[in-house]
Amino acid sequence: DVKVTQSSRYLVKRTGEKVFLECVQDMDHENMFWYRQDPGLGLRLIYFSYDVKMKEKGDIPEGYSVSREKKERFSLILESASTNQTSMYLCASSQPQPGWRTYFGPGTRLTVT
Amino acid sequence: KQEVTQIPAALSVPEGENLVLNCSFTDSAIYNLQWFRQDPGKGLTSLLLIQSSQREQTSGRLNASLDKSSGRSTLYIAASQPGDSATYLCAVGGGNNDMRFGAGTRLTVKP
Repeated sequence: DVKVTQSSRYLVKRTGEKVFLECVQDMDHENMFWYRQDPGLGLRLIYFSYDVKMKEKGDIPEGYSVSREKKERFSLILESASTNQTSMYLCASSQPQPGWRTYFGPGTRLTVT
Repeated sequence: KQEVTQIPAALSVPEGENLVLNCSFTDSAIYNLQWFRQDPGKGLTSLLLIQSSQREQTSGRLNASLDKSSGRSTLYIAASQPGDSATYLCAVGGGNNDMRFGAGTRLTVKP
């Protein structure tokens, strides 16, 4: 059974802290994505990666960075957490071909106080 | 920029009813279209994927159709059950790994 796991389900951090969200997939997928989901705004793409050490900005990359040192792992980094980064963060993976589904992790609900 | 709209935003039906969820998109040059289900506080589960060359896909009581020329997709759920209660999201895939989501339809199936 395919699986995307995220390091934490719930996380509470203080303003200004550096935050790491980890995502691991076991399907040997080339593509990995980070989204945030907010009420009324839906899912918005933060960053995606199509290969190891490769990354592309999504719609809302400001305040975030990413790291992909190994194919199975994609990390989202909040350099200095702010209250407006309180959100549900969802990691996903897929293959680049059009017939391949996208698999999501369970999400991390981050609260920045 | 691709815009994806889902109507209705919320739907409540009695158990056993057949129902249709709608998704529209502005740019017909799509790679694929997926329908996802999301339970409260959880991640998304892909239900059906339709490639741009296909017209429909079926899985059990679910049937999704795609009409690229009109920029529309529908998700048909037959004989709805309370366990179908969830938010259903439509996502349109572009060729550059770009996937655009609709805001979702929150479905409640009453016993």
